[in-house]
Amino acid sequence: QQQVKQSPQSLIVQKGGISIINCAYENTAFDYFPWYQQFPGKGPALLIAIRPDVSEKKEGRFTISFNKSAKQFSLHIMDSQPGDSATYFCAASIPGNQFYFGTGTSLTVIP
Amino acid sequence: NAGVTQTPKFQVLKTGQSMTLQCAQDMNHEYMSWYRQDPGMGLRLIHYSVGAGITDQGEVPNGYNVSRSTTEDFPLRLLSAAPSQTSVYFCASSYSPGRNPTDTQYFGPGTRLTVL
Repeated sequence: QQQVKQSPQSLIVQKGGISIINCAYENTAFDYFPWYQQFPGKGPALLIAIRPDVSEKKEGRFTISFNKSAKQFSLHIMDSQPGDSATYFCAASIPGNQFYFGTGTSLTVIP
Repeated sequence: NAGVTQTPKFQVLKTGQSMTLQCAQDMNHEYMSWYRQDPGMGLRLIHYSVGAGITDQGEVPNGYNVSRSTTEDFPLRLLSAAPSQTSVYFCASSYSPGRNPTDTQYFGPGTRLTVL
């Protein structure tokens, strides 16, 4: 049973466009929601994260939107660049417990 | 800091063989974990440890053993390799998520394992 559901599986965006990746969860005990970025042949690296007490967090071109009532959160990449082409994973965790990852989204930004 | 290191980078095994994937970190992190990454499945937790001498099972522990005798090292053992264990394996570490769940989890570069 997938604890965190992620969509879409793949995404193609023109340079300068907005990339949006969505995640949904059921367990209301989750209280930390990170996004990871993974380039081919590398391990995932933390990109941005949010706690459920805020509805939005922005770091540069990357924004997390969080909807606690809908149990959904999303990653928005503004002004997408070819260097953003990577696989993105959402995740969720419970304090003192393990992380649960989404299935990943392969993003391709076309020049 | 070397961060999280994993060896080997690539490995090919025959069915039934055993091997140990090595993982080490030099950040004095209490929490270490092993994931496997398969296409369309994301990252799935195999085993994790919250400190030396303490380990626990994750989502997909069958066929794998771990031990944590030091803070720095967290090896993953495949007892009798099966083709279903063909995957990319990642080790990760962080400060204890129980102490501060927002602490970053650092991943190693991965081991690509093929079982024939």
